[in-house]
Amino acid sequence: EAQVTQNPRYLITVTGKKLTVTCSQNMNHEYMSWYRQDPGLGLRQIYYSMNVEVTDKGDVPEGYKVSRKEKRNFPLILESPSPNQTSLYFCASSSSRGLNEQYFGPGTRLTVT
Amino acid sequence: AQSVAQPEDQVNVAEGNPLTVKCTYSVSGNPYLFWYVQYPNRGLQFLLKYITGDNLVKGSYGFEAEFNKSQTSFHLKKPSALVSDSALYFCAVRDPYGGATNKLIFGTGTLLAVQP
Repeated sequence: EAQVTQNPRYLITVTGKKLTVTCSQNMNHEYMSWYRQDPGLGLRQIYYSMNVEVTDKGDVPEGYKVSRKEKRNFPLILESPSPNQTSLYFCASSSSRGLNEQYFGPGTRLTVT
Repeated sequence: AQSVAQPEDQVNVAEGNPLTVKCTYSVSGNPYLFWYVQYPNRGLQFLLKYITGDNLVKGSYGFEAEFNKSQTSFHLKKPSALVSDSALYFCAVRDPYGGATNKLIFGTGTLLAVQP
């Protein structure tokens, strides 16, 4: 089954404690992105990746890092989480630029206290 | 700046009645438009897209959307609503100047509530 998986699905942590949210897709997609969803703001892109070892900032990259060492994986790293990073996070992938729809993971709900 | 507007936070409709969820966009150039649905505790699921061609696009679960270039709209429609259609609906446009980002610009979402 074609899918994007994320782990963990729920996470409560404290300010400053480094964490990683994993994302994996089994569709051999080149493009992968991270979005955060906040009430009244829709989804906003954090980082994206065109392919292995090629990543770049989206609209709201501050406080986040990513890596793309393998085509299927695109982890999101919060080196020092802060309460304003409390949000719902989605990983997405697609096979080409623009024309094909993006496939979304189930989401990770992060709470930073 | 590129943007997408969903003017209604919530749409209420009775089961069996037609439904419309509104979306307008503001982009330069030809837009690539998408509708996604989000069920509780789930990720976004693709419903349909408009790239080019016929202005009426048919998608999953009996949904369709009409692209209207003069009104810069892409409203989502369904002839007969089901209770199971109750969910959060997002309209999105692919940023035509996004280059390699493949970034989608999302509206703020519309909660569809279908009453039995």
